[in-house]
Amino acid sequence: DTAVSQTPKYLVTQMGNDKSIKCEQNLGHDTMYWYKQDSKKFLKIMFSYNNKELIINETVPNRFSPKSPDKAHLNLHINSLELGDSAVYFCASSQERQGRGLFFGSGTQLSVL
Amino acid sequence: AQSVTQLDSQVPVFEEAPVELRCNYSSSVSVYLFWYVQYPNQGLQLLLKYLSGSTLVKGINGFEAEFNKSQTSFHLRKPSVHISDTAEYFCALDEVGGSYIPTFGRGTSLIVHP
Repeated sequence: DTAVSQTPKYLVTQMGNDKSIKCEQNLGHDTMYWYKQDSKKFLKIMFSYNNKELIINETVPNRFSPKSPDKAHLNLHINSLELGDSAVYFCASSQERQGRGLFFGSGTQLSVL
Repeated sequence: AQSVTQLDSQVPVFEEAPVELRCNYSSSVSVYLFWYVQYPNQGLQLLLKYLSGSTLVKGINGFEAEFNKSQTSFHLRKPSVHISDTAEYFCALDEVGGSYIPTFGRGTSLIVHP
């Protein structure tokens, strides 16, 4: 069983479109994250969310929004896609207590044409 | 503010040779430290972590790391690498009592040659 699963694996779309990436975890964790990895492999935190608090990286454009229908899901919606949004997006989860480490999904390769 | 510095962006090594990937950190409070590995086209996977206690931490796939508080370092080592260890390695830290968002280094690409 996959612990953190993301869909789709690949997403190719045109500039200006709106798209979503889905993430589900079956680990019973209470905190989920979205990271963006650029072409140089740099990981940038976008959002952190648990049932109490959404923490947003202030550098993330408001075209990006997380949506959590329940504790096991954290989807990423992106409006008006731009060329610079092309990257690999990773979902991750952890237990709220620190020191547990993160469990990552396998990533979604987003290409904006 | 906390930070993580991985001093080498790329480390080439021959198979069966030892390797050390360097990580230094900066924080004004106590920290938890982690190493993650990312194989090509995959997500990150936790290799090992230091929370407290013994400064030498053993992880999966024969890797180990040593926490050195005076030098603010957490270097990753393996005595003999395999071709399959070729991957990107990330050092990360959590500040004790801080947010639940770890700070990642920029990654080190380990390239193992036959």
